[in-house]
Amino acid sequence: GQQLNQSPQSMFIQEGEDVSMNCTSSSIFNTWLWYKQDPGEGPVLLIALYKAGELTSNGRLTAQFGITRKDSFLNISASIPSDVGIYFCAGPPKRNGGGADGLTFGKGTHLIIQP
Amino acid sequence: DTGVSQDPRHKITKRGQNVTFRCDPISEHNRLYWYRQTLGQGPEFLTYFQNEAQLEKSRLLSDRFSAERPKGSFSTLEIQRTEQGDSAMYLCASSLVSNSYEQYFGPGTRLTVT
Repeated sequence: GQQLNQSPQSMFIQEGEDVSMNCTSSSIFNTWLWYKQDPGEGPVLLIALYKAGELTSNGRLTAQFGITRKDSFLNISASIPSDVGIYFCAGPPKRNGGGADGLTFGKGTHLIIQP
Repeated sequence: DTGVSQDPRHKITKRGQNVTFRCDPISEHNRLYWYRQTLGQGPEFLTYFQNEAQLEKSRLLSDRFSAERPKGSFSTLEIQRTEQGDSAMYLCASSLVSNSYEQYFGPGTRLTVT
């Protein structure tokens, strides 16, 4: 099936630093989503991207839909302690030749902020 | 709070027992999804409903799993004859039909099978 590969697997950064992470696929996705999950909670939708090349911001977060449609990037500027968590990319894979509504998720990037 | 709610938040059961989880979606959302998440992995899609109709099931949804959404509002997920491999977080999400990829998740039910 279509898999999403997230990099890096984990990041140790200092408070105030900028963060960059990415998500790649061997096949095309027409929508990219970024979620954040805190321990013991469900994922929270951060940003949705619908067009190749699109750049969308949500506060200190900025995400881009790659031109090839096989990748997406998430940047966090001036990180703060509450940014700690696991960041997942997700998208709707093609199933049975068409689109599908159940999302495929990557394995996540674990962000750890050192005081 | 008008978000997605799930009950119970935690469930410990012995192997072989049946368990049932409940999900209440955001009230105006007519699509409801179930996912399973194991440690170190992202959520994996199980099934989804549009109103009361179950429209898609993943191959992860074995015969021991059944989901219902009888009146198009809340949904239940039942696992019969639980196995240790069923231990996971079970997540429910909901969305509008018009924007089905923007799915909003509940807090999940953590199942532990001993």
